[in-house]
Amino acid sequence: DIQMTQSPSSLSASIGDKVTITCRASQAMDDSLAWYQQKPGQPPKLLIFRASTLQSGVPSRFGGRGSGTEFTLIINSLQAEDVGTYYCQRYKSGLITFGQGTRLEIK
Amino acid sequence: QVQLVESGGGVVQPGKSLRLSCAASGFSIETYGLHWVRQAPGKGLEWVTRITYDGKMRKYVDSVKGRFTVSRDNARNMMSLQMDNLRPEDTALYYCARDSFMVETLIDLWGQGALVIVS
Repeated sequence: DIQMTQSPSSLSASIGDKVTITCRASQAMDDSLAWYQQKPGQPPKLLIFRASTLQSGVPSRFGGRGSGTEFTLIINSLQAEDVGTYYCQRYKSGLITFGQGTRLEIK
Repeated sequence: QVQLVESGGGVVQPGKSLRLSCAASGFSIETYGLHWVRQAPGKGLEWVTRITYDGKMRKYVDSVKGRFTVSRDNARNMMSLQMDNLRPEDTALYYCARDSFMVETLIDLWGQGALVIVS
């Protein structure tokens, strides 16, 4: 099974900063990679799928890129409402694996 | 309003059983794969199981194989999770979730969750 490892596990950044979160797969995979944002007390929200496709309604400051074993979530110009925990997720053939999550705080 | 609503959570002793239900509204589940995803208190997300739109294929995370059974009733627009031989490590908020219509296995809709405490 492919394992997903995120880094960093937590992150503190200032409003307006560019934030990068990385997700590494234990072996090469296709672009079946999604990113979710979870705020306290809420279910996760889909941000990105197919590694780089922005989900409808998600602000354009969010972006995704990567291939093979390394994928990246980028938040351009961090906003206060972006606080939360971010998860990468591999989805393929009925199976799902999540990364362990990255907690994002405002400095 | 398109939504998923879980029910059936509660406190149960180790070794006992519990059944969760997920009711869909605002859409028909008959063309969607459905999932259960859990989150232990203060921890990350763990995918538990998925059932195909027609109920013919089910997949499970290794830690619940042989103990949990997912099922669905398309006529009633509902999915269930039968959890047997529960363990303390099964304590979590259990989310019901739906496949994206466009991308198989990708989750695009979540319920609010049902809390299961095994103690």
